Amino acid sequence: AQTVTQSQPEMSVQEAETVTLSCTYDTSENNYYLFWYKQPPSRQMILVIRQEAYKQQNATENRFSVNFQKAAKSFSLKISDSQLGDTAMYFCAFMKLDGNQFYFGTGTSLTVIP
Amino acid sequence: EPEVTQTPSHQVTQMGQEVILRCVPISNHLYFYWYRQILGQKVEFLVSFYNNEISEKSEIFDDQFSVERPDGSNFTLKIRSTKLEDSAMYFCAIGQGPNYEQYFGPGTRLTVT
Repeated sequence: AQTVTQSQPEMSVQEAETVTLSCTYDTSENNYYLFWYKQPPSRQMILVIRQEAYKQQNATENRFSVNFQKAAKSFSLKISDSQLGDTAMYFCAFMKLDGNQFYFGTGTSLTVIP
Repeated sequence: EPEVTQTPSHQVTQMGQEVILRCVPISNHLYFYWYRQILGQKVEFLVSFYNNEISEKSEIFDDQFSVERPDGSNFTLKIRSTKLEDSAMYFCAIGQGPNYEQYFGPGTRLTVT
């Protein structure tokens, strides 16, 4: 079974600062995919970033980057130059290779303070 | 990004009643999914649907649940006899299939009284 753990229920960050959201997971799979989704107060989840486990290079998308540590089964999200629009619930998610379903963490509620 | 709409945004129903939640994806994606999120808990996978049949389902997706795509556009989730514990946010998602990201709708909040 796959489990995803987000140990930070709530976080806050000053506008323009950098924040890192933690995610760990447990799996016996060797190849898989990891995702971060953002759920703003309007409730629609939006893909932030995706990482293939077979790639050693950390994924980046503009101000968003990940620190993927496969051996440690850790997949943290770093948000640089935080903006007010980054205020949202952030979910870490795992997908098995050739799988159809996401396994989500419980989420981290991030508030960007002006 | 593909657009996914869901109706209704909020449904209140009495225990034992049937409900149908609707999803309208505006894209050419062929895979459809339902997830639910009980208040304060994780988003949980219910079912995936491809080529007009269920391709994968979770333990949650028991006999009281069913899905269909009756007219080639709407994708529906039916709960035959709702229970109090079915109260949750239900999210529809679409995607290109295994290994790919999924695009979520805004959700339907189901309240069973």
